[in-house]
Amino acid sequence: DAGVIQSPRHEVTEMGQEVTLRCKPISGHDYLFWYRQTMMRGLELLIYFNNNVPIDDSGMPEDRFSAKMPNASFSTLKIQPSEPRDSAVYFCASSPSGYGYTFGSGTRLTVV
Amino acid sequence: EDKVVQSPLSLVVHEGDTVTLNCSYEVTNFRSLLWYKQEKKAPTFLFMLTSSGIEKKSGRLSSILDKKELFSILNITATQTGDSAVYLCAVVTAGGTSYGKLTFGQGTILTVHP
Repeated sequence: DAGVIQSPRHEVTEMGQEVTLRCKPISGHDYLFWYRQTMMRGLELLIYFNNNVPIDDSGMPEDRFSAKMPNASFSTLKIQPSEPRDSAVYFCASSPSGYGYTFGSGTRLTVV
Repeated sequence: EDKVVQSPLSLVVHEGDTVTLNCSYEVTNFRSLLWYKQEKKAPTFLFMLTSSGIEKKSGRLSSILDKKELFSILNITATQTGDSAVYLCAVVTAGGTSYGKLTFGQGTILTVHP
């Protein structure tokens, strides 16, 4: 198994642009999580899905952030418009029913 | 709001020292507590603890959970420079039909000097 796959690994964009981060969970895992990591706030849960359905999006900072999971093998996190304060590492993780969390390698986003 | 607090936030030791990292939590519907090690990439899993008083061991690392006092400790004996990393504590909670939400602490930055 290739693990949780995230793309791109690095993204540099200008303020105001739309950014889309992608995640492919481990096959058979029915939970998918999006996290953001910064020095100031550590790892924060943004949103998580169970069986492709968003369960808790209370961590999504504001309306500029949206996440979708159109099928069991793919999820996106979109920021539109992006701002410099969105610069962080974004992690996707998947889990089979709440145990054995596996993280992807992360996407390092820099908004200039 | 669920809260996970780790201490210390950073720690500098020399090779061979023993370190103890702390994690306390205040959450609803506790399910389990996880420890992760993070170097320059994604966190890697160390331990999952669900029952009080049962020590988990892996080589020089060990961890234990106290569900009455709501904390866990991670011990590393005979530290090596390769142990330098951020150690993250996370608590899994469940409520209603939802399950498996992770709340992370800020992490402890451990630096081991030769």
